This record gives sequence, structure tokens and C-alpha cells, in this order.
Amino acid sequence: KAGVTQTPRYLIKTRGQQVTLSCSPISGHRSVSWYQQTPGQGLQFLFEYFSETQRNKGNFPGRFSGRQFSNSRSEMNVSTLELGDSALYLCASRGAVNTNYEQYFGPGTRLTVT
Amino acid sequence: DQQVKQNSPSLSVQEGRISILNCDYTNSMFDYFLWYKKYPAEGPTFLISISSIKDKNEDGRFTVFLNKSAKHLSLHIVPSQPGDSAVYFCAASRSGNTGKLIFGQGTTLQVKP
Repeated sequence: KAGVTQTPRYLIKTRGQQVTLSCSPISGHRSVSWYQQTPGQGLQFLFEYFSETQRNKGNFPGRFSGRQFSNSRSEMNVSTLELGDSALYLCASRGAVNTNYEQYFGPGTRLTVT
Repeated sequence: DQQVKQNSPSLSVQEGRISILNCDYTNSMFDYFLWYKKYPAEGPTFLISISSIKDKNEDGRFTVFLNKSAKHLSLHIVPSQPGDSAVYFCAASRSGNTGKLIFGQGTTLQVKP
């Protein structure tokens, strides 16, 4: 079974631009969560989507948004990029929603904002 | 507010010996705990988990211990191998919010041949 895939793997953007990152979960997984990893803040939860609905959101500004499609693929968007948005963005999928269940991570998208 | 803490940024052990990685949490609502291993330029890889109704879970060389009264968990790797060298993260979640993992800052493990 293929793992979680994320595209693109690397991205360089300029301050003020916007960016869209894509995530395809493991086949059969309907929940997708997004995380940001930075050296200073570590791994931080952005949001979770299930059945095209956002279930939960972390403490990030409204510039960070996401969506999920009917095939469970998910995208996250960051508008008006700031230098501090440079990070590794990870998505993770899991099979069950209402019970505790491990999340499986993709390789991440490395975003650099200049 | 750091709800999950890994107080040791790094750990170095000899091949064949035991590696013990520690994690503390403050939120008593957490009821599920996970350990992930991460190599540079890769996403975290799930290792092992434990529910709060248990105090130990074992999978091959990996064992996780949970002490709820102390709000402490540890990951034991026996025997340690050079390929285990990576950053280890502990994470926690709670029922009703299971899609949100709260991560510690990570511990870099180096296993020397």
C-alpha cells in the first residue's frame, strides 16, 4: 500500500506571495492532519480534515487554510507569506477518526520564504 | 505552554546497550501516547503507541512505559543499533480530539558502533 505523498517536496516563494501544498493520504484513510515543523517551535498542529470538513484547528493565523476533496486528498494554502512561514509542512493520515489511532506522515514539503 | 516535554535534547549510547528516551506531559486529559522516529528530510515514522489504560506496550526491540501518576512515559530500545540514530518525538492526544497530536521537542539519539 502506498504511503502518504506530498507535493511539491521543495518550494521557494517570496514574501507576500501565496502557496498551495498538496497531500494524498494512504488509500482508505479519510482523515488528514497538517503540521508545521520549525527549529524554534517544533512540530505544531495546523488542522485536521475528515470527510471534507475541518474537524479541528490549531493556533495559527487565518492566513493558513486548508480543504479536503471527496477522494480524501487535501490541500493547505498559506496566503501573504511571511519569512517566519519558512518550515517543513507535514501531512499525516489515519484510518479511524473517533478512536485513538496512529497517524502516518508523508515526507513533507520544505517551504522557504525569501 | 509546552504540554509535552522531552527534557533531554540528545542522548548517546553504545551499540548493543539500552537507549532510554523520556517524555513528560502536563495535561491529564491526554489518554493516548505515541513515539515517532525522524530522519533528516523525511517525515516522522510511527514506532509504537500506548493507551492510558495500559502501563506498558512492547513491539520487538521497542517498549514504551507509561506512569500516569507521574505523567511520564519512556521509550526503551534494546539492543540499540546504529540505524536507530535519529530524532525521537513523543506525542500525545486525547479522546474527542484524536486528530491533534501534541509533540515534544524531540531527542536526538546517537548510537555509536
